[in-house]
Amino acid sequence: SQQGEEDPQALSIQEGENATMNCSYKTSINNLQWYRQNSGRGLVHLILIRSNEREKHSGRLRVTLDTSKKSSSLLITASRAADTASYFCATVFNQAGTALIFGKGTTLSVSS
Amino acid sequence: DGGITQSPKYLFRKEGQNVTLSCEQNLNHDAMYWYRQDPGQGLRLIYYSQIVNDFQKGDIAEGYSVSREKKESFPLTVTSAQKNPTAFYLCASRLGRHNEQFFGPGTRLTVL
Repeated sequence: SQQGEEDPQALSIQEGENATMNCSYKTSINNLQWYRQNSGRGLVHLILIRSNEREKHSGRLRVTLDTSKKSSSLLITASRAADTASYFCATVFNQAGTALIFGKGTTLSVSS
Repeated sequence: DGGITQSPKYLFRKEGQNVTLSCEQNLNHDAMYWYRQDPGQGLRLIYYSQIVNDFQKGDIAEGYSVSREKKESFPLTVTSAQKNPTAFYLCASRLGRHNEQFFGPGTRLTVL
């Protein structure tokens, strides 16, 4: 079972442009997390947004959460070639919140 | 340095053989996780453990086994019962509920 589904599956932009990725989930959540994965590597945590938060910023990252629509978006501003990676949203596997499950991810390609 | 290590980085197995993937963490995290990732896909949860000597099945536990004899270690055995074991395996740990997960660099398993 995959709780989160990212959209689009793939995104290609030029350096300097903004990149927006969306995540939809199915059940109620305590928080939603975004991770990044460079090709062939482990995942790195980017940002966590709690269910009572609507927006959160971290450097060039901006995450929004709409619990009424069960959706979240990740915005990367002024993209760089180094932002090329796959991005995943993650929510809890069960009500106990003891494990995360991930969507299939959005593959972002930033060309210079 | 604190972190999660996985070994080996690459592993080749003949059909019918069991293999064990190592995961060690020195972050003093209680919870540990194993995920499987297939090309172009998201992560699927195999097993997770909240405390020593206890673990639970994830979405795709069939053909896999784990143990948690020490807090620092959570090895995964891919048995011959796993029909299609070729994949990228990721181990993760977490301090507690609703927190971020830290990932290891992964092990790429190929069945010859």
